[in-house]
Amino acid sequence: SQQGEEDPQALSIQEGENATMNCSYKTSINNLQWYRQNSGRGLVHLILIRSNEREKHSGRLRVTLDTSKKSSSLLITASRAADTASYFCATALNQAGTALIFGKGTTLSVSS
Amino acid sequence: GAVVSQHPSWVICKSGTSVKIECRSLDFQATTMFWYRQFPKQSLMLMATSNEGSKATYEQGVEKDKFLINHASLTLSTLTVTSAHPEDSSFYICSARDNRAAGISYEQYFGPGTRLTVT
Repeated sequence: SQQGEEDPQALSIQEGENATMNCSYKTSINNLQWYRQNSGRGLVHLILIRSNEREKHSGRLRVTLDTSKKSSSLLITASRAADTASYFCATALNQAGTALIFGKGTTLSVSS
Repeated sequence: GAVVSQHPSWVICKSGTSVKIECRSLDFQATTMFWYRQFPKQSLMLMATSNEGSKATYEQGVEKDKFLINHASLTLSTLTVTSAHPEDSSFYICSARDNRAAGISYEQYFGPGTRLTVT
């Protein structure tokens, strides 16, 4: 089952520009996480935001969470060609021990 | 940090044969592990929850007799794709929860994935 929907499905930008990806989910969550996946490779954990948090920063990443709208956004500032990858949001439900449920993902392409 | 390994990293097999994929937590114990499948250009879909010492819980639509899961120890879960067919070709990823944070942790550690190609 999939919890989240991301938009856009694909995003192409130039180096130096900002990239914003959005994620919506359906049920109450404990936290929401963002992952990056380079083509054909494993997942890289980027950031976790808890349900009682509204915004979190990590380097060039900024994540927001709006639990009333059941949505989150990931902003990558000053993008680089190395940021080219697929980005997924994943939600953890309020029951510890349950699996993360992934959204459909956004494919980001950053050209130099 | 918590490390999860998978073996093999890629495998090619003929239609009708069975393939076993291992998922190991290297520096922690994991009562619970999860198996995901990812088709090209798609997201990760949860297949099953693997619990040490008990039967796995499968997601709706996942055939338990086709995807056999064995979680025989606190550091190893295996996924066996039986009688594999080309449509089973996919990227299989496992994740594990650290027992030391059981009950309070929502963190999962992902393996690097196994690419299965069935010819």
